[in-house]
Amino acid sequence: DQQVKQNSPSLSVQEGRISILNCDYTNSMFDYFLWYKKYPAEGPTFLISISSIKDKNEDGRFTVFLNKSAKHLSLHIVPSQPGDSAVYFCAASATGGSEKLVFGKGTKLTVNP
Amino acid sequence: DTAVSQTPKYLVTQMGNDKSIKCEQNLGHDTMYWYKQDSKKFLKIMFSYNNKELIINETVPNRFSPKSPDKAHLNLHINSLELGDSAVYFCASRREASEDTQYFGPGTRLTVL
Repeated sequence: DQQVKQNSPSLSVQEGRISILNCDYTNSMFDYFLWYKKYPAEGPTFLISISSIKDKNEDGRFTVFLNKSAKHLSLHIVPSQPGDSAVYFCAASATGGSEKLVFGKGTKLTVNP
Repeated sequence: DTAVSQTPKYLVTQMGNDKSIKCEQNLGHDTMYWYKQDSKKFLKIMFSYNNKELIINETVPNRFSPKSPDKAHLNLHINSLELGDSAVYFCASRREASEDTQYFGPGTRLTVL
């Protein structure tokens, strides 16, 4: 039973444009959400997180939006750069932090020069 | 300096063998994890240890046994390897504070023939 779903396995955008990666969750107990980025042959690296008490968190080119009523979050990357090409994992936790994470399957982002 | 390291990076072995994967973190973190990423790309938590104590033990066959000799190390021993054990195994670590993120190692690709 997938509690965290990333329904788009891949996304391709042009350099300089906005990349929007989506994530849906089913467990209403989730209260902390994270995005990880993964390059081939490397481990996931933390990108940005958001607590359920907020609906937006911004860090440079990366913004995460949370819509609790829709159980949906999204990651916006503006402007997209070729170095952003990677697999992006959405993760959620019901512990108020990153203690026990449930991951989605990932979305492969390709940013074309 | 590598924050979370795993050895070996690749492991190819025959069914029925016993093998170990080692993980070390030099971040001074209190909690360490093992994750499995299977062929469907799901990243699922297997175990977590906090200060050498087992905290999380997901539904994992008892052929898998984690061992934490000290706070900086969490090894994974697998007995009687099966074809379905083929996956990428990631180690991660995290400080005690709830909002601290998990830092992942580069992964160990295990192939059981």
